[in-house]
Amino acid sequence: DIQMTQSPSTLSASVGDRVTITCRASQSISSWLAWYQQKPGKAPKLLIYKASSLESGVPSRFSGSGSGTEFTLTISSLQPDDFATYYCQQYNSYFLTFGGGTKVEIK
Amino acid sequence: EVQLVESGGGLVKPGGSLRLSCAASGFTFSSYSMNWVRQAPGKGLEWVSSISSSSSYIYYADSVKGRFTISRDNAKNSLYLQMNSLRAEDTAVYYCARDREYSPFDYWGQGTLVTVSS
Repeated sequence: DIQMTQSPSTLSASVGDRVTITCRASQSISSWLAWYQQKPGKAPKLLIYKASSLESGVPSRFSGSGSGTEFTLTISSLQPDDFATYYCQQYNSYFLTFGGGTKVEIK
Repeated sequence: EVQLVESGGGLVKPGGSLRLSCAASGFTFSSYSMNWVRQAPGKGLEWVSSISSSSSYIYYADSVKGRFTISRDNAKNSLYLQMNSLRAEDTAVYYCARDREYSPFDYWGQGTLVTVSS
């Protein structure tokens, strides 16, 4: 199975900060990577697919980049609604795997 | 509006069985692959199983292979997960999620909690 490693696991930031989360795959997944946001007690929400495509309705402050084994999710200016946990997920293989998550906390 | 509504969760003893259902509406269910994803309390997301639109292709995570069975009824717009030989480590919120071309999991249900405990 393809292993997905996210870093950091926790991130403390302030409103207005630029935030970057990294996701590394144990082997090349081309651009078959998605990012999700999850708030407590809620289902995850798709933010980015195919590494850099913004899902409809998602604010443009979210962006994704990368290919192969290294990917990043960037929030250009953190907003109060963005404090949540973020997960990457590969779908290069039929056996889908998620990263361990990054919790973005208020500093 | 796309809606996915899971049901069937509850408390079950180790070794027991449970069948989860996911009722879909707001889209042409028979055209989409579907999935089950779970999340243990306080933990991350774990993909459980996928089924193609016509049930031709089915995949399972190693952790549930041989114990869980995914199925669907396109006439009833419903997805199912039959869970047998349940273990404490199967305790989780189970979500159904839709696949879209070039993107996994574009819509999710609200989840149903399965608790395996004696």
